[in-house]
Amino acid sequence: IAGITQAPTSQILAAGRRMTLRCTQDMRHNAMYWYRQDLGLGLRLIHYSNTAGTTGKGEVPDGYSVSRANTDDFPLTLASAVPSQTSVYFCASSDSPSTGDTQYFGPGTRLTVL
Amino acid sequence: GENVEQHPSTLSVQEGDSAVIKCTYSDSASNYFPWYKQELGKRPQLIIDIRSNVGEKKDQRIAVTLNKTAKHFSLHITETQPEDSAVYFCAASRPGGNQGGKLIFGQGTELSVKP
Repeated sequence: IAGITQAPTSQILAAGRRMTLRCTQDMRHNAMYWYRQDLGLGLRLIHYSNTAGTTGKGEVPDGYSVSRANTDDFPLTLASAVPSQTSVYFCASSDSPSTGDTQYFGPGTRLTVL
Repeated sequence: GENVEQHPSTLSVQEGDSAVIKCTYSDSASNYFPWYKQELGKRPQLIIDIRSNVGEKKDQRIAVTLNKTAKHFSLHITETQPEDSAVYFCAASRPGGNQGGKLIFGQGTELSVKP
């Protein structure tokens, strides 16, 4: 069992380009989340999905979009990347969207926008 | 919305000493408070959590205390070891509807345990 995987591991991207970060989990978890991690700011929620077919906005959703066509995959798209989107991106999943359910994190994607 | 403040941002202790990290939160409806440990270049991993119906929880050398009246919670690590060196994050979430499960994180504490 792989758990939760992300791709790519790292990416350097020119500003203005479109980029999709991939996230896949094989735990059949209902809820999935995207966070960005910046030094001194901790982890901030970008978007989330409580179940396949639904998505919601987190703390910092601007410039990002997500889709949840099925239970396993939760891609994050940057339509037109900007340097301020340089960050480490973590995907996470939990069995239930209820409060108090452990979130399991993927290994992260380090994105640099030049 | 919820806001979580975490202190200190860095903490250095001698091996064998105790370490305490504190967090405050703003939303009185929050009822779940996990702590994550993140080693350099790795993903965050849950080490302990507490719910609002409990004041203290312990797991071997780590413990978490919660004061709902004051809206703060703390992580205590006793008999620290070099492998405890990492960044620690607190978080909070509130129940109900589409808000359930959304974690708001503190800014992190970099703990260094010196041999």
